[in-house]
Amino acid sequence: DIQMTQSPSTLSASVGDRVTITCRASQSISSWLAWYQQKPGKAPKLLIYKASSLESGVPSRFSGSGSGTEFTLTISSLQPDDFASYYCQQQNSYPITFGQGTRLEIK
Amino acid sequence: EVQLVESGGGLVQPGGSLRLSCAASGFTFSDHYMDWVRQAPGEGLEWVGRIRKKVNSYTTEYAASVKGRFTVSRDDSKNSLYLQMNSLKTEDTAVYYCARVRDGDYVFDYWGQGTLVTVSS
Repeated sequence: DIQMTQSPSTLSASVGDRVTITCRASQSISSWLAWYQQKPGKAPKLLIYKASSLESGVPSRFSGSGSGTEFTLTISSLQPDDFASYYCQQQNSYPITFGQGTRLEIK
Repeated sequence: EVQLVESGGGLVQPGGSLRLSCAASGFTFSDHYMDWVRQAPGEGLEWVGRIRKKVNSYTTEYAASVKGRFTVSRDDSKNSLYLQMNSLKTEDTAVYYCARVRDGDYVFDYWGQGTLVTVSS
């Protein structure tokens, strides 16, 4: 199985900050990586697919990069609505696996 | 508008069974793979299983943690996805989401609101 490791697990930041979340795969997944945002009590929402493609309707302050085993999600200027949990997910091979999540908190 | 609505969750004893349903609308259900993803209380997301389309012979894939106990099925005539859960364990307690798989990049582009399954005596 491909293990996905996110860091940090928790991130404290302020409105307007630039933040980066990292996701590492235990083996190469090419660009088969997606990022999701989840708010408490809600279903996840797709943000980024194929490592760097922005999902339609997602604000341009979100961006993704990377390939192979190392990936990043960057939020260029945090907005109040961005405080949530974020998960990476690989679709390269079965079983599909998620990172353990990063909780983005208000500082 | 794409909608996925899960139902069938509830309280069940260890060793028991439960069948979840997911009613789909707003898109051509038969054109998409469909998945189940779960989330234990306070924990992260865990993929459960997938069912492919008719052209792929409705083949399935499962996480090791549920293989042999859970079965994913679908009824394209009813635009419905199902998850039959047998031999339930306390560690199966979670919110269960159905999710649409998008063609080409295999991401989960639409999710249901989730249904809670609690396995407890």
